[in-house]
Amino acid sequence: GENVEQHPSTLSVQEGDSAVIKCTYSDSASNYFPWYKQELGKRPQLIIDIRSNVGEKKDQRIAVTLNKTAKHFSLHITETQPEDSAVYFCAASRNTGNQFYFGTGTSLTVIP
Amino acid sequence: DAGVIQSPRHEVTEMGQEVTLRCKPISGHDYLFWYRQTMMRGLELLIYFNNNVPIDDSGMPEDRFSAKMPNASFSTLKIQPSEPRDSAVYFCASSPLQASNEQFFGPGTRLTVL
Repeated sequence: GENVEQHPSTLSVQEGDSAVIKCTYSDSASNYFPWYKQELGKRPQLIIDIRSNVGEKKDQRIAVTLNKTAKHFSLHITETQPEDSAVYFCAASRNTGNQFYFGTGTSLTVIP
Repeated sequence: DAGVIQSPRHEVTEMGQEVTLRCKPISGHDYLFWYRQTMMRGLELLIYFNNNVPIDDSGMPEDRFSAKMPNASFSTLKIQPSEPRDSAVYFCASSPLQASNEQFFGPGTRLTVL
């Protein structure tokens, strides 16, 4: 089955700096890669996703890049703000079954 | 739409008791997933259903865990008998057949087994 690894497990940045979280996956058939944000005590919520036919996607301060050859994808947050502090999960999935394989999460702290 | 609904939001029980967690998926969604979240193991997929049929239950830890989906709008996850190591947050999520593939999570049930 799929194995998703996520790094780092914790990340602290100064407000205004950028944050980068990286994930690798093992199944070359995976073609959908969502990123979820989970605030303390809340549910995970989708913040951005990318499909395997695209190399990069941006949404305001958030961007995701995908390298299919190397089987890795990354989340980039620019101009970080305190409200970006949360745990971020990457995941990989095939179209069939919609089953997600989640990474172990990155706890991001943005220091004001 | 109210989103995915889970009940109860918090459950405290004693070891050996039966626990039943409930989930109502978003109307029209064909997939339903049960996850367990702990600090040590992160988000684990326990089981998922497609059109009320269990597709993959390989994540169910032991025979003490069982899940059902009697209809498209209701699912249960049962633990019998419960043990302290079952303490975790249990999330239910639902997803439409294709489209975005996005999974929509419920608010979770925080289970504490004493």
